[in-house]
Amino acid sequence: GQNIDQPTEMTATEGAIVQINCTYQTSGFNGLFWYQQHAGEAPTFLSYNVLDGLEEKGRFSSFLSRSKGYSYLLLKELQMKDSASYLCALLDSNYQLIWGAGTKLIIKP
Amino acid sequence: DVKVTQSSRYLVKRTGEKVFLECVQDMDHENMFWYRQDPGLGLRLIYFSYDVKMKEKGDIPEGYSVSREKKERFSLILESASTNQTSMYLCASSFGTDLAKNIQYFGAGTRLSVL
Repeated sequence: GQNIDQPTEMTATEGAIVQINCTYQTSGFNGLFWYQQHAGEAPTFLSYNVLDGLEEKGRFSSFLSRSKGYSYLLLKELQMKDSASYLCALLDSNYQLIWGAGTKLIIKP
Repeated sequence: DVKVTQSSRYLVKRTGEKVFLECVQDMDHENMFWYRQDPGLGLRLIYFSYDVKMKEKGDIPEGYSVSREKKERFSLILESASTNQTSMYLCASSFGTDLAKNIQYFGAGTRLSVL
């Protein structure tokens, strides 16, 4: 079967760095997505990884290790507006997205 | 910018009512999806469509049906609403037949309460 795990909630301080982990188990893999969802709003695309390694995009970076079934989203220079839920989603062998439950990130001043 | 519009942000319905949730996208996307989002659970796929008049069941289709008569519009229908269908419903669309790196664009959601 398929399974995705990510922490339910994390707290970090404005200006700091936070790493949100996502681990998965799957029989087929076609990539991993990260989305951001502010409370009451639509999820919006952040990143996509299909090969091992780090993809950097401004303050946000995403890492993938296929052999370990592991990804993380790294947020640098945290701002209050980064308070949101971060959703990890696996693209399976049928090209369907399997979603984690999301990590609620709380930023404190 | 891609825009996915869901007709209602909030709906309150009674058990047994027929409920229509409408979704329209303005980017000529081939693919459209309906999910529900519940606390502590990941998004769960209800139905999806890769073309007009085409539909496929997702992971939790029971109690739902869909309609896609036009490319830009994908409707979710609850034939007889039940309290366990109280949830946030999210519509999404994506471009093309290359399903790898197929970014989905979401609407803001419809929060449905069934009393």
